[in-house]
Amino acid sequence: ILNVEQSPQSLHVQEGDSTNFTCSFPSSNFYALHWYRWETAKSPEALFVMTLNGDEKKKGRISATLNTKEGYSYLYIKGSQPEDSATYLCAPPINTGKLIFGQGTTLQVKP
Amino acid sequence: DGGITQSPKYLFRKEGQNVTLSCEQNLNHDAMYWYRQDPGQGLRLIYYSQIVNDFQKGDIAEGYSVSREKKESFPLTVTSAQKNPTAFYLCASSMTSGNEQYFGPGTRLTVT
Repeated sequence: ILNVEQSPQSLHVQEGDSTNFTCSFPSSNFYALHWYRWETAKSPEALFVMTLNGDEKKKGRISATLNTKEGYSYLYIKGSQPEDSATYLCAPPINTGKLIFGQGTTLQVKP
Repeated sequence: DGGITQSPKYLFRKEGQNVTLSCEQNLNHDAMYWYRQDPGQGLRLIYYSQIVNDFQKGDIAEGYSVSREKKESFPLTVTSAQKNPTAFYLCASSMTSGNEQYFGPGTRLTVT
């Protein structure tokens, strides 16, 4: 089973702080990357689908970058708000199209 | 409303019984997936289907079976051969394999 690692495992920040997480994967196996947000008592929802090396995506205060050559992606949250509290999952697709999910980074934003 | 439905939300079964979890989507998606989540672990793929009447094993298919007779439906049967069936089960679909996935609300199965 191919390994996808996310760090940190959990993060506690104050409202207004900016933060970032890392997703690492074997660069030779993956060509793209999905980021999902999973809020408590809800279903995971897609944040970004990134398909090109060097791709940068932004949605409001959240942005992500992708480096498939070196096998990592960063997710940034600027000015964290309590509603950003969730588990953030990264998942590169392999050639068959199935996703390999990391264990996630759980973010808690304190008001 | 378009989306994915899973039923029931909570399911309780006695050890040794087979149980079928329902997953229905009205998004006209070709691909559907079943995942399992255990405490402290990420989502692990049980089975996936890229098209009607076809499906492939995921990383942890032992003790599970699926069918894909209709585009909208992808039921998962947890058989008595599954050694640790108690878990949270999520169904998802995507337009085609590799695209953004849309998830259902999940079914929490408890086997005693």
